[in-house]
Amino acid sequence: SYVLTQPPSVSVAPGQTARITCGGDSIGSKSVHWYQQKPGQAPVLVIYYDSDRPSGIPERFSGSNSGNTATLTISRVAAGDEADYYCQVWDINVLFGGGTKLTVL
Amino acid sequence: QLQLQESGPGLVKPSETLSLTCTVSGGSISSSSYYWGWIRQPPGKGLEWIGIIYYSGSTHYNPSLKSRLTISVDTSKNQFSLKLSSVTAADTAVYYCARVSDQLLPYFDHWGQGTLVTVSS
Repeated sequence: SYVLTQPPSVSVAPGQTARITCGGDSIGSKSVHWYQQKPGQAPVLVIYYDSDRPSGIPERFSGSNSGNTATLTISRVAAGDEADYYCQVWDINVLFGGGTKLTVL
Repeated sequence: QLQLQESGPGLVKPSETLSLTCTVSGGSISSSSYYWGWIRQPPGKGLEWIGIIYYSGSTHYNPSLKSRLTISVDTSKNQFSLKLSSVTAADTAVYYCARVSDQLLPYFDHWGQGTLVTVSS
């Protein structure tokens, strides 16, 4: 069965760029969606179809997908971006990655 | 403004059936553009997809839960529901309902706030 692999944690200083990866076999051939989940809150869609942003999501959030890795990039990271981030694809079934905790130092 | 709200018992005994309802407001569950889904998250763990339903009643379930799972829709009440039978402590989780966009490459674009269900005697 298909597996999505995310690093458990990523740390970045305020104002820097955070990159969160989602690995999977030929994931570049799939559409990847990304969710942000802050403590005690429901997930929020931040990127869909690899790189599209829902209305209300800052331009600082961007996505890319090629080969075996999809990447969520957060530019000019702020304290409010500290959260868990999940990637998700469709492969016969809905699959979520294990999640990455973004820590803003 | 679309809103989804989960409701149901917060405590279920082992071997019994977990039942939750999601009430949709600010939009019609009968829209041909969307599916509706359930996702759960055990305490301190990641997201697990449970299943998806269309307003017509067509469903798609997580294979790991399929034998215990029923998702149904009530268009007259603008609600959809989840029943999970023979629960164990492993089913303890926050359960979310969500709207699903794109039946071919589905993603969850609106979520309920979630409800914690604990399985314990």
